[in-house]
Amino acid sequence: SQTIHQWPATLVQPVGSPLSLECTVEGTSNPNLYWYRQAAGRGLQLLFYSVGIGQISSEVPQNLSASRPQDRQFILSSKKLLLSDSGFYLCAWSGGGGRRDIQYFGAGTRLSVL
Amino acid sequence: KQEVTQIPAALSVPEGENLVLNCSFTDSAIYNLQWFRQDPGKGLTSLLLIQSSQREQTSGRLNASLDKSSGRSTLYIAASQPGDSATYLCAVSNTGNQFYFGTGTSLTVIP
Repeated sequence: SQTIHQWPATLVQPVGSPLSLECTVEGTSNPNLYWYRQAAGRGLQLLFYSVGIGQISSEVPQNLSASRPQDRQFILSSKKLLLSDSGFYLCAWSGGGGRRDIQYFGAGTRLSVL
Repeated sequence: KQEVTQIPAALSVPEGENLVLNCSFTDSAIYNLQWFRQDPGKGLTSLLLIQSSQREQTSGRLNASLDKSSGRSTLYIAASQPGDSATYLCAVSNTGNQFYFGTGTSLTVIP
């Protein structure tokens, strides 16, 4: 069966520090991968999605970047965090030989930038 | 760009009541619509998926309907239970690769 792992679960970082959040999917190949941010009291905002290795699409201009170094690995990064980067970050996948219109989510990372 | 709205933002009902959550979207050219459940501090769990050619889907006490022409979907929960307390999110996909989420409805079922 397919599983998605996201870590760390929580993270507290000072303003100006770098960020690296990792997401991996097991049990499937060539999935679509997604990074979302959920700010307090707001909906999910799609940040990046990837349909293949090295293929990254960005939905909004921001302080963050994403990379997909391997088929089932998706990394969210920042060189210098801002206070406004605080939020709940969710990784998701779809497809991988199954339906690409059904998304499956990781447990999320709570990021607090102080 | 697709915009998704959910009403109400919060809802509190006594146990056993039937309830309806609403979702509206601005671009009717959707590929599918999906309803999710999110427990506090957790990821999302998919509840129901409706393809653009379908009008409704059912799973247990849940029934989701879709009226694509009017840009609306409803999630009906029958005989609500305290365990149904969570935030419910709807998401639409225009291409099958990208998903646009509403802000959610926070449901509290009072024992």
